[in-house]
Amino acid sequence: EAGVTQSPTHLIKTRGQQATLRCSPISGHTSVYWYQQALGLGLQFLLWYDEGEERNRGNFPPRFSGRQFPNYSSELNVNALELEDSALYLCASSLAPAGAVQFFGPGTRLTVL
Amino acid sequence: RKEVEQDPGPFNVPEGATVAFNCTYSNSASQSFFWYRQDCRKEPKLLMSVYSSGNEDGRFTAQLNRASQYISLLIRDSKLSDSATYLCVVNVGGATNKLIFGTGTLLAVQP
Repeated sequence: EAGVTQSPTHLIKTRGQQATLRCSPISGHTSVYWYQQALGLGLQFLLWYDEGEERNRGNFPPRFSGRQFPNYSSELNVNALELEDSALYLCASSLAPAGAVQFFGPGTRLTVL
Repeated sequence: RKEVEQDPGPFNVPEGATVAFNCTYSNSASQSFFWYRQDCRKEPKLLMSVYSSGNEDGRFTAQLNRASQYISLLIRDSKLSDSATYLCVVNVGGATNKLIFGTGTLLAVQP
């Protein structure tokens, strides 16, 4: 069974640009989550989507946004990139019930120059 | 106070050793508990869920004490391949439903 997939693997942008990261959940999973892991910091929760709706967001500015498509895949958009947005962005998916185990994709490493 | 606290280590142990990791969490409403492992520059991978009754998976044993808000992981007969960062993770569940990660404990198993 295929796991969570993410694209691209690496992304290099300059300050002020926009970045779009993509995620496909495990088949049958309806919830998708985004986390940020900046160098030297722990994983921080960004967003939770379920059935196409944003259910919860972490303590990040509005320039971090996303959406979930009818096939449950998801996009994370980061506008007006700042140097400190450089991080590993991890997508996870789970079955519907809150508290279900979340399985992670390999991540997108975003570098902002 | 951090929501999930772990000793960052590193724990340097010889092969075959038994090693224990501890973790405390601050939110008494937490509903789900996990240990993930993360290899360098890779994604976290679920090691095991943690239940109040305690649970075991081969060489790995996890314990949860809700009264003390304390989670533990015991690794017996350490292997070189166990070298990784071990992340203690809790989920409050409900409408929040986000994983809250500890900063991780680095384990280095030496030959």
